[in-house]
Amino acid sequence: DSGVTQTPKHLITATGQRVTLRCSPRSGDLSVYWYQQSLDQGLQFLIQYYNGEERAKGNILERFSAQQFPDLHSELNLSSLELGDSALYFCASSPLAGGIYNEQFFGPGTRLTVL
Amino acid sequence: ELKVEQNPLFLSMQEGKNYTIYCNYSTTSDRLYWYRQDPGKSLESLFVLLSNGAVKQEGRLMASLDTKARLSTLHITAAVHDLSATYFCAVGRMDSSYKLIFGSGTRLLVRP
Repeated sequence: DSGVTQTPKHLITATGQRVTLRCSPRSGDLSVYWYQQSLDQGLQFLIQYYNGEERAKGNILERFSAQQFPDLHSELNLSSLELGDSALYFCASSPLAGGIYNEQFFGPGTRLTVL
Repeated sequence: ELKVEQNPLFLSMQEGKNYTIYCNYSTTSDRLYWYRQDPGKSLESLFVLLSNGAVKQEGRLMASLDTKARLSTLHITAAVHDLSATYFCAVGRMDSSYKLIFGSGTRLLVRP
């Protein structure tokens, strides 16, 4: 158990809908990262937040957005869902924003199925 | 743009045999990770390699890093069924963010 929690574990929804995925980082970690794992794209970095501020952006679609709250939990919002958004979404956390010793710890993931 | 390539993508091997998974990356990196993922599960960190020539071993797995060749290897010795999983390498760079760039993964199946 990495100490990173994600809810829900599974989510089934329809095309065009909007969902919110939630992540609680390990105690004391200030950075949260979101990754998407799909069969065709593999594991891709989406976005990073550090202490409430966006730090880095990867291959995140405009339909997706994220935020990190004062208690450091983070939410990933996915809207206008398409079949291709079906994937496993991982959250990871680390103590710092960057740096060579800044190891990331991964949560159990949320499996999103869009029908 | 940092790219990470793993090969092979799929590996079926018999118990007791040895094999190596390769991970090449395209530009200078500060750290290299190896992760294990069981089907439908999260990523379990196996090794973190920080410097050229770094070698780490845990049980039947040994990872090494050659930063000059931009190559890391994950060597499996005397494979057992419990090692069946997907193995990913991931590369990080020391900049304002520490996002990880992952390889495609190697799906390992160890046959009795």
